[in-house]
Amino acid sequence: QVQLIQSGAEVKKPGSSVRVSCEASGDAFSTYIITWVRQAPGQGLEWMGGIIPIFNTANYAQNFQGRVTIIADESTKTAYMELSSLRSEDTAVYFCARGGITGPPDSWGQGTLVTVSS
Amino acid sequence: DIQMTQSPSTLSAFVGDTVTITCRASQSISTWLAWFQQKPGKAPKVLISKASNLKSGVPSRFSGSGSGTEFTLTISSLQPDDFATYYCQQYNSYSGTFGQGTKLEI
Repeated sequence: QVQLIQSGAEVKKPGSSVRVSCEASGDAFSTYIITWVRQAPGQGLEWMGGIIPIFNTANYAQNFQGRVTIIADESTKTAYMELSSLRSEDTAVYFCARGGITGPPDSWGQGTLVTVSS
Repeated sequence: DIQMTQSPSTLSAFVGDTVTITCRASQSISTWLAWFQQKPGKAPKVLISKASNLKSGVPSRFSGSGSGTEFTLTISSLQPDDFATYYCQQYNSYSGTFGQGTKLEI
């Protein structure tokens, strides 16, 4: 069973960028989909994008096109999500999750709180 | 992106009741639909995949149905632990839009 360990909470200024990491341990990494999902305070889940590490090609939600970059490092079994041009509305918990190629994300990280504030 | 419309947004019920949550896709997604349960401060937990396949360890009082654009999650004989927020998600290729969520309240 995979465990996904995310990096710690971040506080960022508007206009800056944030990078959140997600390290997989205990199971395969490269042939699964690594998905990033965020949840603003009191709000629902928002799919941001995903990557299959072995193909190293990411797919992004239209809402985040041009602002989000998702990459994966097979050697360290770590995925990264970088979000740029941060604004206060980006304050949220960011989750990484892993799922099969034909399945939903079924293993989740603990979440990383990103706070955007001047 | 495919849009997912979930209803109702809030549902009040009693222990022992049976409830149904509906999810509609803006275009056909075959049966590429999952249902998640989320409790406050926790990551979501997948209950059902492929519209109707119960994940291992999930109680059989949870069931899912549907295909194409219309899907339902039914929870029968509600237990106190079931009061949570539920989300549908379409997962097609590797895109994955969520519904807005349904908060199930006692």
